[in-house]
Amino acid sequence: EAGVVQSPRYKIIEKKQPVAFWCNPISGHNTLYWYRQNLGQGPELLIRYENEEAVDDSQLPKDRFSAERLKGVDSTLKIQPAELGDSAVYLCASSPTKGLANNEQFFGPGTRLTVL
Amino acid sequence: QKEVEQDPGPLSVPEGAIVSLNCTYSNSAFQYFMWYRQYSRKGPELLMYTYSSGNKEDGRFTAQVDKSSKYISLFIRDSQPSDSATYLCATSNSGYALNFGKGTSLLVTP
Repeated sequence: EAGVVQSPRYKIIEKKQPVAFWCNPISGHNTLYWYRQNLGQGPELLIRYENEEAVDDSQLPKDRFSAERLKGVDSTLKIQPAELGDSAVYLCASSPTKGLANNEQFFGPGTRLTVL
Repeated sequence: QKEVEQDPGPLSVPEGAIVSLNCTYSNSAFQYFMWYRQYSRKGPELLMYTYSSGNKEDGRFTAQVDKSSKYISLFIRDSQPSDSATYLCATSNSGYALNFGKGTSLLVTP
């Protein structure tokens, strides 16, 4: 079974430029998460989708970040404009059910963003 | 104050040693406790999952949760060089949003 796919794996941009990250979750997984992991820190949730609906975006900096999950499968996370402090690894995760008992989140390899 | 505190290490042990990794948390509503392992340049992968208090064992790994003291532990027996990674504890009250610790960097030397 293929895991969570993310692209690109690495991205270097100058500040004030836009950037987008793409995620393809595990087939059949209804729940999709975007996390940000700063260097030396644990991942922090940015947004959670149930199918195509964003059900928790309370931690998403909405002035510059946006996300979409059209058709409830692939998802894109965008930053516009990027700031130096956005340098981090952006992780996508998916889980097979919204039930509580078996909500293992499977993570992709992440996109490492460097803003110069 | 973060909801989950974890000593970042690094922790270096010889091969075969018993490793003890720990976290504390502040929110008594947390019911789900997890340990993730993250290799360099990879995403986290789930190692152990515990609901409420108690112990759980899986091969060389044992997870313990003490809700009275808000303390969670992961023990690794007979540690191997392949166990060298960052270990992240995570908690949740809903099973959805995970609250991660900073992660502890572990190095097992041959």
